[in-house]
Amino acid sequence: GAVVSQHPSWVICKSGTSVKIECRSLDFQATTMFWYRQFPKQSLMLMATSNEGSKATYEQGVEKDKFLINHASLTLSTLTVTSAHPEDSSFYICSARDIRGGDEQFFGPGTRLTVL
Amino acid sequence: AQSVTQPDIHITVSKGASLELRCNYSYGATPYLFWYVQSPGQGLQLLLKYFSGDTLVQGIKGFEAEFKRSQSSFNLRKPSVHWSDAAEYFCAVGAPPREYNTDKLIFGTGTRLQVFP
Repeated sequence: GAVVSQHPSWVICKSGTSVKIECRSLDFQATTMFWYRQFPKQSLMLMATSNEGSKATYEQGVEKDKFLINHASLTLSTLTVTSAHPEDSSFYICSARDIRGGDEQFFGPGTRLTVL
Repeated sequence: AQSVTQPDIHITVSKGASLELRCNYSYGATPYLFWYVQSPGQGLQLLLKYFSGDTLVQGIKGFEAEFKRSQSSFNLRKPSVHWSDAAEYFCAVGAPPREYNTDKLIFGTGTRLQVFP
């Protein structure tokens, strides 16, 4: 149980295009999902907290218009990197917390984004 | 300031040897502490967590960790390392969500474990 999936697992795109990454909780419902960014050989940095049915809460320094987050249902959150540039290349990981309670976040396998 | 420090960037141990990965934290509230493992190109897998109670917690894959409030530490240990343990290990701290209305986790910079014959 408590499986989180991400799609795609990797994506390569041209500079200036937009890329959408999906995060799904497969066997539980999540009112809250989180988006992290991880640079090579570095730690995870929280980008934003996504709440179902409301606007996402972004961490300081994260551009809201650059990284659009939508949490349309209790099992799906999407992160759209708009007008991507090479510096946006990174490993993006989402996590989700079960609506039924508990204090653990369940992490997805991550999405590798490479912007050419 | 809230932070997590993993002093060892890279550790190398021999197969079968014991392992200890260090983690120190600075947190203004009652901490929830976690250890995650990440294999190359993969997401994070929870090894163990500490919320309250017994300060020595057991996790998966033979790992354990001990919470020492006086030292603000939560070191991860394993008595005998296996090949498959080679990975990146992250310590993280958070606050009890229901008490502080936040789920935010703060991660350390990670420790890369290599296992040699």
